Formats: sequence, structure tokens, C-alpha cells
Amino acid sequence: DQQVKQNSPSLSVQEGRISILNCDYTNSMFDYFLWYKKYPAEGPTFLISISSIKDKNEDGRFTVFLNKSAKHLSLHIVPSQPGDSAVYFCAASEMTTGKLIFGQGTTLQVKP
Amino acid sequence: DTAVSQTPKYLVTQMGNDKSIKCEQNLGHDTMYWYKQDSKKFLKIMFSYNNKELIINETVPNRFSPKSPDKAHLNLHINSLELGDSAVYFCASSQGSSGTYNEQFFGPGTRLTVL
Repeated sequence: DQQVKQNSPSLSVQEGRISILNCDYTNSMFDYFLWYKKYPAEGPTFLISISSIKDKNEDGRFTVFLNKSAKHLSLHIVPSQPGDSAVYFCAASEMTTGKLIFGQGTTLQVKP
Repeated sequence: DTAVSQTPKYLVTQMGNDKSIKCEQNLGHDTMYWYKQDSKKFLKIMFSYNNKELIINETVPNRFSPKSPDKAHLNLHINSLELGDSAVYFCASSQGSSGTYNEQFFGPGTRLTVL
């Protein structure tokens, strides 16, 4: 039973446009959400996070939105750059366990 | 000045063999983890240690045994390797464990291939 789902395996956008990556979760006990970026042959690197007490967190070109009632979060990248091409993983955790549950990833391709 | 390092990066071995993967972090973190990324690309936690104490142990065959000689190291030993163990194994570390919001830092991964 996959508690964190990224239903789009891939996304292609033009350089300069907005990239929107989506993530859904089923466990209402999750209270902390993270996005990781992964290049081939490297480990995931932390990008941005949000706690359940917020609905938006912004860091430069990256913004994460959380809709708790819909159990949905999204990552917006604007403007998208070719260097953003990578696999993006959504992850969720419960503060009581500290365990991260990952989605299956979305491959983003930003075309010049 | 690599934060989380793993050795080896690639490991090819025969079924039935025993192998180890080493992980070291120089971030001064208290908690270390092992994750497995299978062929479907899911990243799933296997183990977590906090100050050398096991705190998370997912449903993993007991052929897998983590060992933490000190809080900067968490090694993974696998006995009697099977074809299904082929995957990429990632080590990670974070400042705290349960009860705190922790950004986890990942190593580069070890691609294990069992023939």
C-alpha cells in the first residue's frame, strides 16, 4: 500500500516556463513533507520542505504548496531551467517516527 | 569533504555470497539510515540507527544486518545474497530522529548486482 504517490512518472516543460510536480498521500498522520531532487548516479538531495501547519513555503525559484484537506502537495519551479532536469521525489513523515516515506518519483525534463 | 560517503559504488557478486557496504558521514549527525531503491524506483527505508542504537527496523530479511561501530558509521552486511537483492542501496544521515523534523542527507548510492 503506497502511502505517498506521484502519479506522473514524467514531465516535460520548456525553459523559462513553470514546472508543477504533484504528490498525493493517504496517511493523515503525516505532518512534514519534503521534496528531493536526484541526478543519475547520485543520491537524492534535499530541495525544500513544509510542515503541516503551513500551506506554502518558498525558497527562490521553488515553492511547495500543501493542501491538507485534499492530502495533496505540489512543487512549483519557476522559471524552469535545463539544470532542473532530474528526478524529483516527494517524501512524507510523521514526527513521532521520523521515518520518511517516499513517492516513486517524477522525471522532469526542461528543454532549452 | 564529502558529507555522506558509501563504498563501494558498484558491487557485482554471485548468488549465495556475503557482502558488506560501508557508510560514513562527517556531518556530526546522530542518526543514520539505510534505504533500498528497487527496480521500480521506490526508495524504501530499511534501518535507522540513532547514536549506535537501532530505532527503525522495517520488514527486512534477517540476512540483512546493519552494524554501527560509532555514530559516524553505519555498515550493511548481507548474507546469502539472492537475485532479488539487486538494487541501489542508499545511506543517509540526519541531525535527530523521531520527534524532530529532519532533513536527511543521502550518500551517492551503491548499485548491487547479484548474478
